[in-house]
Amino acid sequence: DVKVTQSSRYLVKRTGEKVFLECVQDMDHENMFWYRQDPGLGLRLIYFSYDVKMKEKGDIPEGYSVSREKKERFSLILESASTNQTSMYLCASRPGTARGYTFGSGTRLTVV
Amino acid sequence: GESVGLHLPTLSVQEGDNSIINCAYSNSASDYFIWYKQESGKGPQFIIDIRSNMDKRQGQRVTVLLNKTVKHLSLQIAATQPGDSAVYFCAEGDYGQNFVFGPGTRLSVLP
Repeated sequence: DVKVTQSSRYLVKRTGEKVFLECVQDMDHENMFWYRQDPGLGLRLIYFSYDVKMKEKGDIPEGYSVSREKKERFSLILESASTNQTSMYLCASRPGTARGYTFGSGTRLTVV
Repeated sequence: GESVGLHLPTLSVQEGDNSIINCAYSNSASDYFIWYKQESGKGPQFIIDIRSNMDKRQGQRVTVLLNKTVKHLSLQIAATQPGDSAVYFCAEGDYGQNFVFGPGTRLSVLP
């Protein structure tokens, strides 16, 4: 069974901390994505990557950065966590064709 | 832009009844549509997809209908079961482009 694995289900961090959210996929997919999900707002795209070492800004990149050093791993970095970054973060991947995404289980981040 | 508004509508159905969940999409150029199911505390799971050259596609207990004229997508669930309780949302996409997701509809199955 294909899998997208997010390293943490729940995280609590303090304001100002640097936070790393990790995502690994085992499907050899070219494209990987980071979304945040907030009640009533749906999924909003933060960053995506269509190849190793490539990254593109999504709709809400401010306060975030990403890293893709290997094809299977896509990391989301909060340089200095703030309370408005408290959210559910979802990683997804898909092959390089017009197919649907496979999502991870999500990381619920609380910034206090 | 967003496909649907900011509020999360809720649909309550009796166990055993059929459910119909609707989605209005925004981009007339979108040619690929997906329905996802998200249970509490989990990531979204693929249910069914449809391409713009079709107007209906059936899966196991689910049917997706696409009306391109009015940019409307619906998900029908037959004989709704308690395990169907979840948030359902649609996604629209264009070949090679990223998907746009709606905020979803919460389905509540009553015993």
